[in-house]
Amino acid sequence: GNSVTQMEGPVTLSEEAFLTINCTYTATGYPSLFWYVQYPGEGLQLLLKATKADDKGSNKGFEATYRKETTSFHLEKGSVQVSDSAVYFCALSLSGGSNYKLTFGKGTLLTVNP
Amino acid sequence: NAGVTQTPKFQVLKTGQSMTLQCAQDMNHEYMSWYRQDPGMGLRLIHYSVGAGITDQGEVPNGYNVSRSTTEDFPLRLLSAAPSQTSVYFCASSGQGGNQPQHFGDGTRLSIL
Repeated sequence: GNSVTQMEGPVTLSEEAFLTINCTYTATGYPSLFWYVQYPGEGLQLLLKATKADDKGSNKGFEATYRKETTSFHLEKGSVQVSDSAVYFCALSLSGGSNYKLTFGKGTLLTVNP
Repeated sequence: NAGVTQTPKFQVLKTGQSMTLQCAQDMNHEYMSWYRQDPGMGLRLIHYSVGAGITDQGEVPNGYNVSRSTTEDFPLRLLSAAPSQTSVYFCASSGQGGNQPQHFGDGTRLSIL
């Protein structure tokens, strides 16, 4: 079956530090990969996505590259801010016929201190 | 800018009671789904629908029913609430294609006593 494994955290960083959250996946077929972010008390929001191998998704200073050879989609940011404190979810979906289900990792709580 | 709207935001039930969580979207999306979020478990798919009149089970469907009579609405029914169903429930919708991002509502926090 399909699965996503991500760093469990929690991760605590100081402002302006470099962030990496690891994500690896197992999938039958060729998935699309996503990072979602959940701020306290809110629903999930799409942060970035990549739909094929070697694609790089980027948004708000965050980046992730779809690595088919290592089945990975690690999230990085060069300089985090206090406002980046949130839970980050890696996810994949496969489209075959009418099946667009998302499979999520367990989430990584990031806290950024001033 | 409504997007995906869930009601209620909070609910407390007693064991054995039934209730319906409402979900509506105004983006004309074909695909809608319900997830539950539990500590340390991420999000798990309960039920999903690929269009009006079509529903299917996800990873954890037991104790829940859904229907999809219109494109806009996708209610989730708890038939007989159990403490194990205490969770935060999220509804999501997306356009066609596995590369389309899903849009989430703000969630319903449900406690079963």
